[in-house]
Amino acid sequence: DSGVTQTPKHLITATGQRVTLRCSPRSGDLSVYWYQQSLDQGLQFLIQYYNGEERAKGNILERFSAQQFPDLHSELNLSSLELGDSALYFCASSVGLAGGLIPDTQYFGPGTRLTVL
Amino acid sequence: TQLLEQSPQFLSIQEGENLTVYCNSSSVFSSLQWYRQEPGEGPVLLVTVVTGGEVKKLKRLTFQFGDARKDSSLHITAAQPGDTGLYLCAGQRGYSTLTFGKGTMLLVSP
Repeated sequence: DSGVTQTPKHLITATGQRVTLRCSPRSGDLSVYWYQQSLDQGLQFLIQYYNGEERAKGNILERFSAQQFPDLHSELNLSSLELGDSALYFCASSVGLAGGLIPDTQYFGPGTRLTVL
Repeated sequence: TQLLEQSPQFLSIQEGENLTVYCNSSSVFSSLQWYRQEPGEGPVLLVTVVTGGEVKKLKRLTFQFGDARKDSSLHITAAQPGDTGLYLCAGQRGYSTLTFGKGTMLLVSP
């Protein structure tokens, strides 16, 4: 158990819909990362937050957005869903060295499996 | 184009065999990490290598970082069914975020 929790574990929805994935980081960690894992693309970095502020952005679509709340939990919002958005979505957390700017060890949650029908 | 290429994509072996999986790139990395991911779980960090030519051992697992810091290998001695999983390498350049390879799926049969 990494100490990172994600809900829900599974999510099935239809094209065009909007969903919210939730992540609670390990106690004491200030950085949260979101990743998408699919068979064809592998594990892709989406976005990083540190203490409520966006720190880095990866291959995140404009239809996707995220935020980190004052209690440090994070949510990833996916809208106008397409079939190709079906994937595993992972959240990871880390201590966040130098305000989240220096790479440090990331601990991954168990993921949310999203299926878009 | 994938920045980190992992090979083989899939490996099925018998318990007790030795194996090596590879992680290759044309780019130089400041550090490289290896993770193992089991079904239904997130990736778990196994090791981080930072120095060219570095070799690290974790029980039956031996990790090597290439001299030029562009590639890495993972060697498992006397594989066991518990070693089954997806092995991912991830590279870091400077202060950038992690770039992952697509992984090698290892199946060890009793």
